[in-house]
This record gives sequence, C-alpha cells and structure tokens, in this order.
Amino acid sequence: DGGITQSPKYLFRKEGQNVTLSCEQNLNHDAMYWYRQDPGQGLRLIYYSQIVNDFQKGDIAEGYSVSREKKESFPLTVTSAQKNPTAFYLCASRTGTVNTEAFFGQGTRLTVV
Amino acid sequence: AQTVTQSQPEMSVQEAETVTLSCTYDTSESNYYLFWYKQPPSRQMILVIRQEAYKQQNATENRFSVNFQKAAKSFSLKISDSQLGDTAMYFCALHAGGTSYGKLTFGQGTILTVHP
Repeated sequence: DGGITQSPKYLFRKEGQNVTLSCEQNLNHDAMYWYRQDPGQGLRLIYYSQIVNDFQKGDIAEGYSVSREKKESFPLTVTSAQKNPTAFYLCASRTGTVNTEAFFGQGTRLTVV
Repeated sequence: AQTVTQSQPEMSVQEAETVTLSCTYDTSESNYYLFWYKQPPSRQMILVIRQEAYKQQNATENRFSVNFQKAAKSFSLKISDSQLGDTAMYFCALHAGGTSYGKLTFGQGTILTVHP
C-alpha cells in the first residue's frame, strides 16, 4: 500500500540532546513537508522540500534541521537549540503541482523530559 | 508572504444541522489553491475539499461545500446535515504558485463538535 510513514509514534528526549524524526513515503511525491502542531496554534511549517537535495525554511525553522538525500525520505532533526521542542510533529508529501492535496503521516509526539 | 487565519477556535452544532467554518487568507499570487482538511481524534489528516482560485464556481463534495469570495479573500466551509463523525479539528490551507511555490500554509484550526 502506498503511503507516508512516520516513526516513532512517541519519542522522549532529554534536554540538551538532538533527536531525529523519520518520514518515509512511497507515493513517488516530489514535495515533502514538516509541520509542528501545538494547541491553539494550528499547523506551523518548519521546513519543506520540492526536490531531492534542496529544501527551504518554513515559518519556524530555528532549532531544526532537515536533509533530502533521497526522494522518499525527509528526516527532521530537533536540535538542542530548539527552546520548546515538546509538540506533535506531522510530515506530509504531495506531487509538485499546485493543485494537488497533501498526504500526511500519523505523526510523532515528542516529549522532552 | 502568505497567511491563513481561522478566527473560530471552537464551534458546536447539533446533529443534522448546518454549520459554517470561517477562513480568510492573504497572498499576492494570482494562481493558488485553497483546501479544507479534517483532523479527527485519531489525528490522521484527511482532505475534505479543494478550490482553485481561477474558478468562480464554489466547490462541493457531498455534504461539504465552500463559499469562496475571492475579492474578500474569504474561504468558508459549510457542512450540511452534520453527523457525529464530523467531529474533528478543521484546517484551512493555501498553496500558491509564484515566489511562494511549494509552500503549503495552514490556519490555526477550528475544533468542531457535533452533538447528538
């Protein structure tokens, strides 16, 4: 079945540690996205990528980093520079045209302990 | 810059009634698409409906329809004959061409509760 997979579903991190969230898609989509969801703030865009080896900062990129070495993979690293990393993170993908919908993974809940 | 604003944090409706969720947006591009997504308690995002900016006719999908007012930059979602399964958070989203191409921006979301 085609889809987009995020792992793990729950992640705990100690303060000061970097952590990487995985996002894989087998939909052959060109574009991939990372969003952060906090209560009352909706979905805020962290990074997005239109093609392999290229990505752009979204609205809240500080404290995060990404890579896009393969079309199907777009991992997100939450660094120790992110002041408040506890949140629900959603990955999405879509084809490259402006009219197509985004498909979402099931999300990763990151908690800093 | 492109922005999407949903000014209703929460809404409620009785089963079988109609409810309208509001959304306003801003973009300098002329080619763009607007979307409504639903996020049920499972947190799996699902597309509800989409609207192309060039089309004057409002999109409809079964019980879901939009009121697209391009000049006012307004894009509201109407849910008719509300069902308990419509209980979810609803997000309005914008994807534009031009210099913002590729950037998919969401609003703050509206929590909709359908009461029996």
